[in-house]
Amino acid sequence: SYVLTQPPSLSVAPGKTASITCGGNNVGSKSVHWYQQKPGQAPALVIHSDRDRPSGIPERVSASNSENTATLTISRVEAGDEADYYCQVWDYSSDHLVFGGGTKLTVL
Amino acid sequence: QVHLVQSGAEVKKPGASVKVSCRASGYTFTDYYIHWVRQAPGQGLEWLGWINPNNGFTNYAQKFQGRVTLTRDTSISTAYMELRGLTSDDSAVFFCARELFPTNYMDVWASGTTVTVSS
Repeated sequence: SYVLTQPPSLSVAPGKTASITCGGNNVGSKSVHWYQQKPGQAPALVIHSDRDRPSGIPERVSASNSENTATLTISRVEAGDEADYYCQVWDYSSDHLVFGGGTKLTVL
Repeated sequence: QVHLVQSGAEVKKPGASVKVSCRASGYTFTDYYIHWVRQAPGQGLEWLGWINPNNGFTNYAQKFQGRVTLTRDTSISTAYMELRGLTSDDSAVFFCARELFPTNYMDVWASGTTVTVSS
């Protein structure tokens, strides 16, 4: 089955840039989606289709996807960005949805 | 306003079954797939499957094949997830979420239902 690999944790100072990676075999050929989950809440979509932001998501949240790595980038990090972030794809070979293991973003 | 509202927390004994509901409002229920995702305490997200409310077709994660059943009642815009043969490993928060097929992502999520399995 298809596997997406994320770093378990990332710490960033306020005002700096956070880059969260999501690795997978030829993930660049798939459409990657990203979710933010704050403690005690449901996940919320922050990026879909590799790089598109749903309405209400600020421009400082961006993403890219190429070859074997997709990346979620949060510029000018704020305390409110502290959360778990999950990448997700649809694996057509298994006809299953796949999540990465999640990355806990800590704002120092 | 689009909402997905789930049924309340459940406590079950090992070996029992649980059925969680997910009621949709603010959109046409049959226009979006409903996915079910669970999250064990302190763990990541795990996909269980989806149902197409328009025709009842389902797709289950291999891990849960034979143990989970997704159904829907279009008359009340509600989807259901039943999980059988519960063990303590099934203690988790279960979420439903919608997908505009075939975008393959979930744009609206419910707040989740906590299922606790304990003897």
